[in-house]
Amino acid sequence: LAKTTQPISMDSYEGQEVNITCSHNNIATNDYITWYQQFPSQGPRFIIQGYKTKVTNEVASLFIPADRKSSTLSLPRVSLSDTAVYYCLVGDRGNQGGKLIFGQGTELSVKP
Amino acid sequence: KAGVTQTPRYLIKTRGQQVTLSCSPISGHRSVSWYQQTPGQGLQFLFEYFSETQRNKGNFPGRFSGRQFSNSRSEMNVSTLELGDSALYLCASSLGSGYEQFFGPGTRLTVL
Repeated sequence: LAKTTQPISMDSYEGQEVNITCSHNNIATNDYITWYQQFPSQGPRFIIQGYKTKVTNEVASLFIPADRKSSTLSLPRVSLSDTAVYYCLVGDRGNQGGKLIFGQGTELSVKP
Repeated sequence: KAGVTQTPRYLIKTRGQQVTLSCSPISGHRSVSWYQQTPGQGLQFLFEYFSETQRNKGNFPGRFSGRQFSNSRSEMNVSTLELGDSALYLCASSLGSGYEQFFGPGTRLTVL
């Protein structure tokens, strides 16, 4: 599975847009990019998944450039409750089965 | 629809003992994966079961084992506990390969 690199931590203020970039230079043709969110003492929660270009849901947007060597998770107008660790994962959805490889994640701190 | 449930939520054991953790997946989900989370190593994949068969295995010693029952409920067992086994153990379920994984709240194991 492709290795990912993310910033260890980020700070933001309520109401701002937050963009977290993930590098995955060795991404394979069949790999998808998935983001999870984790609050302290809870299990991770799926946020969004994409293969190329842009994906948007009610929570976030995922931007993937044409070369797919990086991706950016965009959280619009964050609130204090968005303080969490965000993980970027890259892998073949079909072959990896239930095996997710988590990196170090990005600890996002939202301040009032 | 009920989420993934894990029991017990908290557990304290002493070195050398063994422990069994339980996970009940979302109804209809046939894949159950287990993860260990520690401050030092982060989230690490233990193993995955699908239709009572172990489909994937992480890089953990043989002291860590698991099984899945015909109703998809899963248990993991750790024998001869070591201090380093203290961690949050997370269970995730999904419909199968390529589908979103849903995590439970975890079991916090403390080994004294």
